Amino acid sequence: NAGVMQNPRHLVRRRGQEARLRCSPMKGHSHVYWYRQLPEEGLKFMVYLQKENIIDESGMPKERFSAEFPKEGPSILRIQQVVRGDSAAYFCASSPRTSGSNEQFFGPGTRLTVL
Amino acid sequence: AQSVTQLDSHVSVSEGTPVLLRCNYSSSYSPSLFWYVQHPNKGLQLLLKYTSAATLVKGINGFEAEFKKSETSFHLTKPSAHMSDAAEYFCVVSANQAGTALIFGKGTTLSVSS
Repeated sequence: NAGVMQNPRHLVRRRGQEARLRCSPMKGHSHVYWYRQLPEEGLKFMVYLQKENIIDESGMPKERFSAEFPKEGPSILRIQQVVRGDSAAYFCASSPRTSGSNEQFFGPGTRLTVL
Repeated sequence: AQSVTQLDSHVSVSEGTPVLLRCNYSSSYSPSLFWYVQHPNKGLQLLLKYTSAATLVKGINGFEAEFKKSETSFHLTKPSAHMSDAAEYFCVVSANQAGTALIFGKGTTLSVSS
């Protein structure tokens, strides 16, 4: 059973370009979470999605960031008009269902560098 | 509101000596608590989790943690450090009872010397 897959692993963009980060959850998992890790910081929750629905986007910046989890295909985190402050590691996690004790399985992350 | 505080940003031990990584939490309800490990340029791996069953939780690679409600602590320990334990360790609490978001501490970097 393959784990959570993220691609690309490394992404370099110039200021003003768009960044698209992809996440394929573990087989059988229908819940996807995105987190951002800034340098020297812990991970910060961004958004929680189920298939075709955004359930909780309380951690998403109000502008330029969007996320989707379509019926078919991976979840996408999209950052428009990137700025240097967007440079970070973006981690995706998945779980089979929600419960307070439920483990989230993390992918290897995408490291975004904005020049 | 839920929160976690990792009391040490960096811990250094010698190989073969005990490891103690400290974590305090704040929760308005019975929390779910986790320890994750992150090796350099890698993803996160779950070490162990507390889910209101036994207060002493055993995890992978010889790690364990004890939930102490009176002290609001969930410290991570290992009797004997190995070089491969050098990594970043995160104490994590579930942000809500539904478990739809996790709150991470700022991390503790564990260094192991020979």
